[in-house]
Amino acid sequence: DAGVIQSPRHEVTEMGQEVTLRCKPISGHNSLFWYRQTMMRGLELLIYFNNNVPIDDSGMPEDRFSAKMPNASFSTLKIQPSEPRDSAVYFCASRRTGALRGGYTFGSGTRLTVV
Amino acid sequence: KNEVEQSPQNLTAQEGEFITINCSYSVGISALHWLQQHPGGGIVSLFMLSSGKKKHGRLIATINIQEKHSSLHITASHPRDSAVYICAVRKETSGSRLTFGEGTQLTVNP
Repeated sequence: DAGVIQSPRHEVTEMGQEVTLRCKPISGHNSLFWYRQTMMRGLELLIYFNNNVPIDDSGMPEDRFSAKMPNASFSTLKIQPSEPRDSAVYFCASRRTGALRGGYTFGSGTRLTVV
Repeated sequence: KNEVEQSPQNLTAQEGEFITINCSYSVGISALHWLQQHPGGGIVSLFMLSSGKKKHGRLIATINIQEKHSSLHITASHPRDSAVYICAVRKETSGSRLTFGEGTQLTVNP
């Protein structure tokens, strides 16, 4: 298994531009999570999906952020328009609900820099 | 006060030493996770605990539900264990959402 695949690994963009981050979860995992990590705030959950349905989006900072999961094998996190304070590492993770081990598998992250 | 507190924040050890990282939480949980984040940034799930103790190689994780406390132990530490170790809990009331501690930066010197 290739694990959770995120793209791009690095993104540098100018303030005001639209940014789209992509995630492919592990096949068979039915929960998908988007996290943001910054020095100031550590790891924060932005949104998570169960069976492609958004369950908890209370961590999405504002309307500039949106996330979709059109099918079980793909999700996007979009920021429009981007701002310098959005600079962070964005992690996607997936999990199979009810699995005995219950562990989360994280992608390698997307390091976003907004200048 | 954070719902998940880790100690110490930073830990430096000599190769071969026994290491303990602590995690205390103040909410009811369905599970506790220990994660490892290497300098390159990747995050690896080490353990999920809801009771007792788990062991994987040189790593041991314990949890005391009554005391709301968990420990991660590393035996015979090695420089490659240098990483940030993060405690995270799944609260009883928040489904699959994880609440994270601030992490413990471990450095093991040769």
